[in-house]
Amino acid sequence: EAGVAQSPRYKIIEKRQSVAFWCNPISGHATLYWYQQILGQGPKLLIQFQNNGVVDDSQLPKDRFSAERLKGVDSTLKIQPAKLEDSAVYLCASSLEATGGRGTQYFGPGTRLLVL
Amino acid sequence: GEDVEQSLFLSVREGDSSVINCTYTDSSSTYLYWYKQEPGAGLQLLTYIFSNMDMKQDQRLTVLLNKKDKHLSLRIADTQTGDSAIYFCAESRQGTYKYIFGTGTRLKVLA
Repeated sequence: EAGVAQSPRYKIIEKRQSVAFWCNPISGHATLYWYQQILGQGPKLLIQFQNNGVVDDSQLPKDRFSAERLKGVDSTLKIQPAKLEDSAVYLCASSLEATGGRGTQYFGPGTRLLVL
Repeated sequence: GEDVEQSLFLSVREGDSSVINCTYTDSSSTYLYWYKQEPGAGLQLLTYIFSNMDMKQDQRLTVLLNKKDKHLSLRIADTQTGDSAIYFCAESRQGTYKYIFGTGTRLKVLA
């Protein structure tokens, strides 16, 4: 079974530029998550989708971050404009369902973003 | 608070056992997870335990859960150099999807 796919793996941009990340979850997984992992910390949830609807985006900095999952499968996360403090690894995860044992989350390899 | 606490570093010799500890925050947490992160990689699910269990064993891995003290541990038997990584515990709270991750424990295995 293929895992969660993410691209690009690495991105270097200058502050105030825009950047977009792509995620393809495990086939059949209804729930998709985007996390931000700053160096030396555990992942922090940015946004959760259930199919193509947003369940929780309370931690997403909406003035600069946006995410969509239009057809309930792939998702994109965008930052516009980027700030230095956005340098982090952006992890995508998916799960069969939202809670319980079928809510176990499987992670992709991440996109490493460096903002100069 | 929301903090899940882990010690930052652990160093062991190859062949010894490693024990990584985690203190979580919410007594209503239903599932507790251990993930492994190797350099440059995402998080790999190692194992998880349901809150009505005290122990779970899976090959070299043993998870112990002390609900009274909200303490979770991961024991790795016969630790190998390939086990060197950062280990994260995470709690999933009852009725929600949200994972709260610890800060991670960096395990270094010395040959």
